[in-house]
Amino acid sequence: QVQLVESGGGVVQPGRSLRLSCAASGFTFSNYPMHWVRQAPGMGLEWVAVIAFDGSLTYYGDSVRGRFTISRDDSKNTLYLQMNSLRPEDTAVYYCARDPVIAPPDYFDYWGQGTLVTVSS
Amino acid sequence: ECVLTQSPGTLSLSPGEGATLSCRASQSVSTTSLAWYQQKPGQAPRLIIYAASSRATGIPDRFSGSGSGTDFTLTISSLEPEDFAVYYCQQHGCSHSITFGQGTRLEIK
Repeated sequence: QVQLVESGGGVVQPGRSLRLSCAASGFTFSNYPMHWVRQAPGMGLEWVAVIAFDGSLTYYGDSVRGRFTISRDDSKNTLYLQMNSLRPEDTAVYYCARDPVIAPPDYFDYWGQGTLVTVSS
Repeated sequence: ECVLTQSPGTLSLSPGEGATLSCRASQSVSTTSLAWYQQKPGQAPRLIIYAASSRATGIPDRFSGSGSGTDFTLTISSLEPEDFAVYYCQQHGCSHSITFGQGTRLEIK
């Protein structure tokens, strides 16, 4: 069965960096676009970024563009999110999610359980 | 910017009743570009409806989606106890970006 497992969250000071990982299993990872979506405590969902199935295209939400970088390593079946210049408003649970359509962005058919990032001094 | 506005913010109903959740877009959205998700406390969201009216795998037929243009609806025909949750609509048709509505909380009356 499809599994997505995020890791790398934690407490980080404003201005610092953090890298999240998402380990995928149960499907052919290299065939699917992948996303990061976040949810601040008690708030709604916010799309962060998407990467094409072959890594050729990436798109970002306005609030993270220029600070965050999405990437993938198909040899490791792993998705990454490099987060730089972190701000308190980046505090959220970060989910990785699979996009079932080859030409992203579309929608999310499988989600991980999320990893919490807290940006605080 | 593509904004989705959901209404009502909170819906209080009893098991067995029907529920109608609304999602309005600030500009026209293709019917292939609208999805709905269910989220329960402490859990990741779950896909319910994609392409405005197609049920995701394993979703019971009491859930249905409809709409076009700027107005979309998620209908639950007869509420089961496990249906009480927060529901989000999501669009993916605006300039290679994705936006979510702010959510509708469906609570037990």
